[in-house]
Amino acid sequence: QQQVKQSPQSLIVQKGGIPIINCAYENTAFDYFPWYQQFPGKGPALLIAIRPDVSEKKEGRFTISFNKSAKQFSLHIMDSQPGDSATYFCAASFPGSARQLTFGSGTQLTVLP
Amino acid sequence: KAGVTQTPRYLIKTRGQQVTLSCSPISGHRSVSWYQQTPGQGLQFLFEYFSETQRNKGNFPGRFSGRQFSNSRSEMNVSTLELGDSALYLCASSLAENTEAFFGQGTRLTVV
Repeated sequence: QQQVKQSPQSLIVQKGGIPIINCAYENTAFDYFPWYQQFPGKGPALLIAIRPDVSEKKEGRFTISFNKSAKQFSLHIMDSQPGDSATYFCAASFPGSARQLTFGSGTQLTVLP
Repeated sequence: KAGVTQTPRYLIKTRGQQVTLSCSPISGHRSVSWYQQTPGQGLQFLFEYFSETQRNKGNFPGRFSGRQFSNSRSEMNVSTLELGDSALYLCASSLAENTEAFFGQGTRLTVV
């Protein structure tokens, strides 16, 4: 059973655009929601994470918006750059177990120069 | 500060063989978790270790096993390899039980 659904599968934006990647989860017991960025040949790198007690978190050009009632969260990348071209994964985990992550299927982002 | 180190980076094995992959976590981190990444199934949790004890295990057959040593280094073993075991195997380390996971670059296993 896929517990975290991610969309879109791929996304192409122009430099400076604001790509938005969405995730929806099913299990309301999840309490930790990180986003990872992965470049080809590399492992996923933690970008930003949020817990359900806040509705938004910003770190640099990356923002997570969280809607607990809708069981959805999204990643926004402000002023996107070609160097942001990568695959992005959302994930979720249960209380006390931030290491046991349930991942979304990934979004391949391409930022055109 | 060194990151998570996984060895080897690439492996080619024959069906039926077994393989051992190694992971050295970030210095001071006591938790190690393992994931399998394939194009079809995406990133799937295998198991996690904290202070040499397996805390959780994902939905994988018993051919997949692991262990953690007193220095927090971890190994995972896959016995009786199948073609479908071809994947990128990722290790992640965490400082404690409920802190962020940092991934290594992975070991690319190809089963022929």
